[in-house]
Amino acid sequence: EAEVAQSPRYKITEKSQAVAFWCDPISGHATLYWYRQILGQGPELLVQFQDESVVDDSQLPKDRFSAERLKGVDSTLKIQPAELGDSAMYLCASSLELAGAGADTQYFGPGTRLTVL
Amino acid sequence: SQKIEQNSEALNIQEGKTATLTCNYTNYSPAYLQWYRQDPGRGPVFLLLIRENEKEKRKERLKVTFDTTLKQSLFHITASQPADSATYLCALLPSGTYKYIFGTGTRLKVLA
Repeated sequence: EAEVAQSPRYKITEKSQAVAFWCDPISGHATLYWYRQILGQGPELLVQFQDESVVDDSQLPKDRFSAERLKGVDSTLKIQPAELGDSAMYLCASSLELAGAGADTQYFGPGTRLTVL
Repeated sequence: SQKIEQNSEALNIQEGKTATLTCNYTNYSPAYLQWYRQDPGRGPVFLLLIRENEKEKRKERLKVTFDTTLKQSLFHITASQPADSATYLCALLPSGTYKYIFGTGTRLKVLA
């Protein structure tokens, strides 16, 4: 069964350093999501792509976070500089279409656990 | 303010019993509501979707109900098993949007 791939699985960094996460969605999935999940809380959407276009990035801290999906396939999420409060699980998900279009199932990757020291 | 609330306290039940988890929302007009399962250190896994005009959905031992008057969805696992132990998340899609909003999740532990 096809899966969403993410790397790295774990990342430890010092504050003020730059970090990058990579996601490869399920083949053919037009919609890609990046979520942040703090321990004990639900996932919070950071950015949503439809193909290579950003659909929603209203919760993305744009002063330090950036995301791209240049060819509409895989995606990279970057944090520069990292802060202590960025420690969390970063989840990537993909779906066939935009939510509400009928194919709403989101398939999540295993996540990247970020620790900022 | 808009909120999606799930019981933050863990739910412990005996094997074989029915587990019932609650998802309440305020100040949203929902189109869809989904339930996901999440195991520690892993990404959520989709379980069920229910539309705002549907009252109930079933899949094997799982049942979801949706009451838009009470602004509540209930998630039931019948004949629960220790393997059902996990955190269960509800996610709501407000009408006219493309963005699911997740609840905080409820941790379920099924005791053998």
